[in-house]
Amino acid sequence: EPEVTQTPSHQVTQMGQEVILRCVPISNHLYFYWYRQILGQKVEFLVSFYNNEISEKSEIFDDQFSVERPDGSNFTLKIRSTKLEDSAMYFCANRVLSDEQFFGPGTRLTVL
Amino acid sequence: EDQVTQSPEALRLQEGESSSLNCSYTVSGLRGLFWYRQDPGKGPEFLFTLYSAGEEKEKERLKATLTKKESFLHITAPKPEDSATYLCAVRGEQGGKLIFGQGTELSVKP
Repeated sequence: EPEVTQTPSHQVTQMGQEVILRCVPISNHLYFYWYRQILGQKVEFLVSFYNNEISEKSEIFDDQFSVERPDGSNFTLKIRSTKLEDSAMYFCANRVLSDEQFFGPGTRLTVL
Repeated sequence: EDQVTQSPEALRLQEGESSSLNCSYTVSGLRGLFWYRQDPGKGPEFLFTLYSAGEEKEKERLKATLTKKESFLHITAPKPEDSATYLCAVRGEQGGKLIFGQGTELSVKP
């Protein structure tokens, strides 16, 4: 089965610091997504990315967040100034032309 | 507003005791209902996609069914390794994002 990889697996940061979460998508997948899951809560959509631009974003995805494909393969989520409430698991997901989204193992972000 | 509700929140079964998990949904223009399995601290693992009422999909001890308002995940003769949280998600007509339910935490005791 194809695999999405994410780094780091765990990131600890101080409030107000910038973090960059990285995703290596499955090759030939066209659509990229970021979701987050606060401990004990639902998986929530953040943003989708297609053809090198944002195609959809949620209310959570405010000006503190940004996404990029810096080198044409990796896919990153940046949080400019972290808050305590940003502590969560962040998942990258990919899909091809079919509908199934394949998720990575996640990055656990802890903001102190 | 698109919404997904799963029940029960938690389910404890004895090994071999079959049961069903429920996923109720409201969505504008269903473009797919998805079942995922999630182990603690891991990402969701894709299981099934269903598109239209009456459709069924099977994989080992799992069978997913779909009606116009809900989906069921039937687990036949479960084993301890089936213990996980099972997530239901829908994709509506607005974009490709998935809307998830809260999940059902399944525990199967030997």
